Amino acid sequence: DTGVSQDPRHKITKRGQNVTFRCDPISEHNRLYWYRQTLGQGPEFLTYFQNEAQLEKSRLLSDRFSAERPKGSFSTLEIQRTEQGDSAMYLCASSLPGLAINEQFFGPGTRLTVL
Amino acid sequence: AQKVTQAQTEISVVEKEDVTLDCVYETRDTTYYLFWYKQPPSGELVFLIRRNSFDEQNEISGRYSWNFQKSTSSFNFTITASQVVDSAVYFCALSEIQAGTALIFGKGTTLSVSS
Repeated sequence: DTGVSQDPRHKITKRGQNVTFRCDPISEHNRLYWYRQTLGQGPEFLTYFQNEAQLEKSRLLSDRFSAERPKGSFSTLEIQRTEQGDSAMYLCASSLPGLAINEQFFGPGTRLTVL
Repeated sequence: AQKVTQAQTEISVVEKEDVTLDCVYETRDTTYYLFWYKQPPSGELVFLIRRNSFDEQNEISGRYSWNFQKSTSSFNFTITASQVVDSAVYFCALSEIQAGTALIFGKGTTLSVSS
């Protein structure tokens, strides 16, 4: 399967703990996105990478959140000192490069539950 | 500011009925892209279609069709002869060239098709 993969699929943690999620994009896609989706809502944009450069960050991305894409391939999203409000599905997407805005292909997501 | 409104929260139909999902968007950009995604009960977002602001031609793909009207800022999605497998949450999304490549999603419409 050559789609976007995410790991882990589920994560349960206690408030105050740190968590890290991984995303592997489709191999020829140099654009990578993180979104967060809560129940009954559409996905909300968090951040965007083109190759290894983080080019966009949403105001939703508080200083407890950090994302990296060190070699322009996989990406990690870390949440420090988790809060119950961080409970959500974290989605990763990737797209082809280009001048246009290309369709984004989404992974299965990581469901985070903060107790 | 960019915004996507999907006024229909839930729609229920019986198999073989036609159904139209509404999407209204707001943008100040002249160059933008519109998307539809499907999120089945399994949870993974599936890309359906992308349109750019310069192409108002309607599109048909099998039982799916899309009607893009810039005059009313709408990008509606019709499923003809619905099937139980069409049951899912459908999201409309907008992306503006000037604002970056992030997708701004509506809140989604939950479609339930019964047999």
